[in-house]
Amino acid sequence: KNEVEQSPQNLTAQEGEFITINCSYSVGISALHWLQQHPGGGIVSLFMLSSGKKKHGRLIATINIQEKHSSLHITASHPRDSAVYICAASGGGADGLTFGKGTHLIIQP
Amino acid sequence: NAGVTQTPKFQVLKTGQSMTLQCAQDMNHEYMSWYRQDPGMGLRLIHYSVGAGITDQGEVPNGYNVSRSTTEDFPLRLLSAAPSQTSVYFCASSYQWLAETGELFFGEGSRLTVL
Repeated sequence: KNEVEQSPQNLTAQEGEFITINCSYSVGISALHWLQQHPGGGIVSLFMLSSGKKKHGRLIATINIQEKHSSLHITASHPRDSAVYICAASGGGADGLTFGKGTHLIIQP
Repeated sequence: NAGVTQTPKFQVLKTGQSMTLQCAQDMNHEYMSWYRQDPGMGLRLIHYSVGAGITDQGEVPNGYNVSRSTTEDFPLRLLSAAPSQTSVYFCASSYQWLAETGELFFGEGSRLTVL
């Protein structure tokens, strides 16, 4: 079973700061998902990537398959970015998703 | 599009009662799944389905039952509720059955308390 570790567990930053959230996994994967969960709310898929880098607005996700590591970056952070960010590793197969415990991000104005 | 719709959003049960969490999607997705989210733990897969008529167990299936009679609906049944089933439940769907090739769409969640 894949072990997925996220760091940091909690992060508080000031508006405008560059944010990095890390995700490491123990077993080779087919793809990695980044998800966002607002307090009391549902879960939204941000990225799904299997190699390289993807960008959407102020969000950037990268993955290094050899090092079994992925990062989620937020540029020019804003209070509305405050949420829990979750990574999930897929090893293949419909039951192959393993989730990290999440990173709780707070952006202060 | 409505996306993935879960009902109810909140439910309180007594130990031993049964209930069904409803999940429906209108995106013609093959893959549907149920997860539970508990404090300090990552999401854990309960049951999943790769198409109508096909279901399988995930990591924590005990105490839960599912069926997939149509592409759109994937209800989760609690047979005899226990306090350990107090959790937030999420339904998710994806266009293709291989989770790694399809974006996941989640419902809003159902918060269940078992007394």
